[in-house]
Parts: sequence; structure tokens; C-alpha cells
Amino acid sequence: GIQVEQSPPDLILQEGANSTLRCNFSDSVNNLQWFHQNPWGQLINLFYIPSGTKQNGRLSATTVATERYSLLYISSSQTTDSGVYFCAVVLESWGKLQFGAGTQVVVTP
Amino acid sequence: DTAVSQTPKYLVTQMGNDKSIKCEQNLGHDTMYWYKQDSKKFLKIMFSYNNKELIINETVPNRFSPKSPDKAHLNLHINSLELGDSAVYFCASSRAAASSGNTIYFGEGSWLTVV
Repeated sequence: GIQVEQSPPDLILQEGANSTLRCNFSDSVNNLQWFHQNPWGQLINLFYIPSGTKQNGRLSATTVATERYSLLYISSSQTTDSGVYFCAVVLESWGKLQFGAGTQVVVTP
Repeated sequence: DTAVSQTPKYLVTQMGNDKSIKCEQNLGHDTMYWYKQDSKKFLKIMFSYNNKELIINETVPNRFSPKSPDKAHLNLHINSLELGDSAVYFCASSRAAASSGNTIYFGEGSWLTVV
């Protein structure tokens, strides 16, 4: 069955808007990362966040491990934020870094 | 300096050919990976090596053979290429296995097109 679910699958934002991306996972994790794949295909590591909250500029992430979800917040979005955002987890029961299907974000001027 | 570098970046080849993609990391990491990204952007692990030893081998056709000459290099050789092999292949590395809670870093990808 599906072990990592991301929502929404697609998101269109106007520049300056805020948004929240969600990642649900099916079991306890000991590794959770958020990545941004830019329009040129490059995968950029945003956060390593198996639990707690982190902030990096306009981006922040929160993982509530006990409830098996993680959220990525984009504030004051810019066109350079466009791309696909992936959540990837290592489930304790599985031992491999498993990616979600991603959220495609388009930020319009 | 690029932390995880892979070559070639683009590769167009005919069905039936054999090709290799090379990967090198200069981060001093012990673990390296190959991931495949399909046309729907889904990323799936293919192989993982730790200190040159194979630790993850997903259900991948045996036409795909990884080779790790040392812990800084993990190359992917593909025999008898098929149309369905067209994808983006990403190399990655981490200090130790991702299952131990280590951050994973990706190369820029190799776009393979089989015609």
C-alpha cells in the first residue's frame, strides 16, 4: 500500500501568497526530508526534519512524528519557488528513503 | 565544487545499446544511491551501497548493474537498453545509511533517452 502521501498534488499561487504542503506517512520514521525540484530538474535539500520545527528564510517545516505528518510552509511565495516539492521518509519498518509523489507548485507573477 | 556529480547529464542512445552513468561524491560520505525518476516525476530507489558494499537492491532488471570501485564512486551500467529505461537517473550520497537518520544529497541528474 501507499506509505507516503502528499497533498495537494498541484498548487497554483499568486506571487506573495502563503501556502501549506502536507506529507502523511504510514509508520514511525527516523528520517524525514523535504526537497525542492526546480524547473531545471535539480533536487535541492530543504529540510532534514524527523520531528519538531525548522525555519529557513521564507520556508519552514514542522513534523509531528506521533501523528505521522509533516507540513511545509511557504510564505510570501516568489516565482522562484515554482517546482515540485517532495517529502521523503525512512520508515522504521522498512529502512529505505521513500519519496512521496510530490506537490507541483506554480507561482504566477 | 559540486558535492555529488554525475556524467553525462544528457544521453540519447538507441535501443539495445549498453551505456554507463558515472557518479562521484566529494563529501566523504560512506553511502551512495541510485534513484530513477519516471515521466510522472515519481522517484524510486534502485540501489544503495555502503562502503562499496551493496545494501539495497530493489526489484530492478538485471540489465542494470551498479559498480562501486571505492566509496566515493558509484557507477551505473545498463545493458541492452529498452525504451522504458528512458528516465532521469539521480545519484545521491549520505554520511551513513538514510535508515540511520542521515541527510541525503542528490546530484543534478542524468537524462537518459532511449530511441
